Amino acid sequence: DGGITQSPKYLFRKEGQNVTLSCEQNLNHDAMYWYRQDPGQGLRLIYYSQIVNDFQKGDIAEGYSVSREKKESFPLTVTSAQKNPTAFYLCASRDGTAPSYGYTFGSGTRLTVV
Amino acid sequence: SQQGEEDPQALSIQEGENATMNCSYKTSINNLQWYRQNSGRGLVHLILIRSNEREKHSGRLRVTLDTSKKSSSLLITASRAADTASYFCATGETGANSKLTFGKGITLSVRP
Repeated sequence: DGGITQSPKYLFRKEGQNVTLSCEQNLNHDAMYWYRQDPGQGLRLIYYSQIVNDFQKGDIAEGYSVSREKKESFPLTVTSAQKNPTAFYLCASRDGTAPSYGYTFGSGTRLTVV
Repeated sequence: SQQGEEDPQALSIQEGENATMNCSYKTSINNLQWYRQNSGRGLVHLILIRSNEREKHSGRLRVTLDTSKKSSSLLITASRAADTASYFCATGETGANSKLTFGKGITLSVRP
């Protein structure tokens, strides 16, 4: 079955550590997105990529970094510069040739600072 | 920045009743989409309505769009306990690099 796989499902980070969240899709979608979800605040866009080897900052990119070396993969690194990283992180993709279609989401990674 | 604002924030109804959720937005859009999220899970795309459309149906879902009022509504008819979830509206920008902007969501509880 085609879809998006996020791993791990739960992740714990110590203060000052960098952690990387994985997002892999086998839908052959061009565009991929990272959102952060906090209680009561909905989804906020961190980074997005419309094509391999290119990505743009979203609304809350500070303290995060991404790469898009392969079409299938769009990992997100939460750096030590992100002061409040505890949140639910969602990865999504969309067929870049069809902007009027919906996003497909992964099942999320819950990150907790310990 | 969040463009879509859903109303109400929470809704509790009895099974079999209809649920109506509203969304307002501020700027011009290419399309408006509704998503559903079960607790602790990813979002699932429900329905998309383009800016030149006024109404769309999918099963028990009906979406309307009024671009003059910059508002949309999602109607779920004959609700079921399994419809209990959070519902988000998301607006799609015009332009080549369009991306979605999500609202804060509506929590729907359907009592059996």
